[in-house]
Amino acid sequence: AQSVAQPEDQVNVAEGNPLTVKCTYSVSGNPYLFWYVQYPNRGLQFLLKYITGDNLVKGSYGFEAEFNKSQTSFHLKKPSALVSDSALYFCAVRDIRQAGTALIFGKGTTLSVSS
Amino acid sequence: EAQVTQNPRYLITVTGKKLTVTCSQNMNHEYMSWYRQDPGLGLRQIYYSMNVEVTDKGDVPEGYKVSRKEKRNFPLILESPSPNQTSLYFCASSLTSPSRQSSYNSPLHFGNGTRLTVT
Repeated sequence: AQSVAQPEDQVNVAEGNPLTVKCTYSVSGNPYLFWYVQYPNRGLQFLLKYITGDNLVKGSYGFEAEFNKSQTSFHLKKPSALVSDSALYFCAVRDIRQAGTALIFGKGTTLSVSS
Repeated sequence: EAQVTQNPRYLITVTGKKLTVTCSQNMNHEYMSWYRQDPGLGLRQIYYSMNVEVTDKGDVPEGYKVSRKEKRNFPLILESPSPNQTSLYFCASSLTSPSRQSSYNSPLHFGNGTRLTVT
C-alpha cells in the first residue's frame, strides 16, 4: 500500500537560514511525488513535483526538493527561509503503476520562520 | 482567472439536516475530487470523478454522496450530517484523469475550503 510520512509536525527556522521539511514514502512501484503548501484559510497550492530525471527538482517560490530512491525520501528545501514561507506543507505520492489511485497525502508539517 | 470555487466557506448545521457543498472549476478539467482535512490525519479522499457521470469512492466515502452531471460542477452532498463529519473540506481538480498513465503527473488545483460544523 502507498503511504507518506512527514516525521516532523513542526519545523522552526530563523529567517535567512536554510530550511528542510522531511518526507519519506512507500510505494510498490516508481513514485510520482509532489509538494503542496497551504496558507491560512486557503486551499493547497502546488509547489513542485518529481516524475523522472534529475533528482533535484526546482519549484515555486525558490523551493526545491531532492529525490533519493535508496532512502525513499523527497525532502523539501530552501536555501534561505523567508517569514512569508510560514505555512503548512504537505508531501504527496502516487504509484505510477496503480491506475486510478488517488494522491496520498502526508499529515503535514507546519513551518514557522521567525524574523 | 483559473480557479476552483467552493461554497459556502463556512457552514454550521445540525445533525440530520441535509446539506450540499458546491464546487465549480473553470479550467475544463476532467478529474475532480473531494477531500476532508482533519488535524493529525492530513487530507483523506472522499469521492472522485474521472469525467462526467463517472464517480468513485475514495478512502472515506461513508455518509457522503456526489454527482457529476456537468464537467465543471462536482457537488458534495451530506444527506444526514453527523458531528463526526465536522471538518474542513476541499474540492480539487486536475487537467486529466489519474487513470491515464501519462497524466499521473498533473497537479491538483484546490478550492479555498469549506469549514463545516455539525452540532
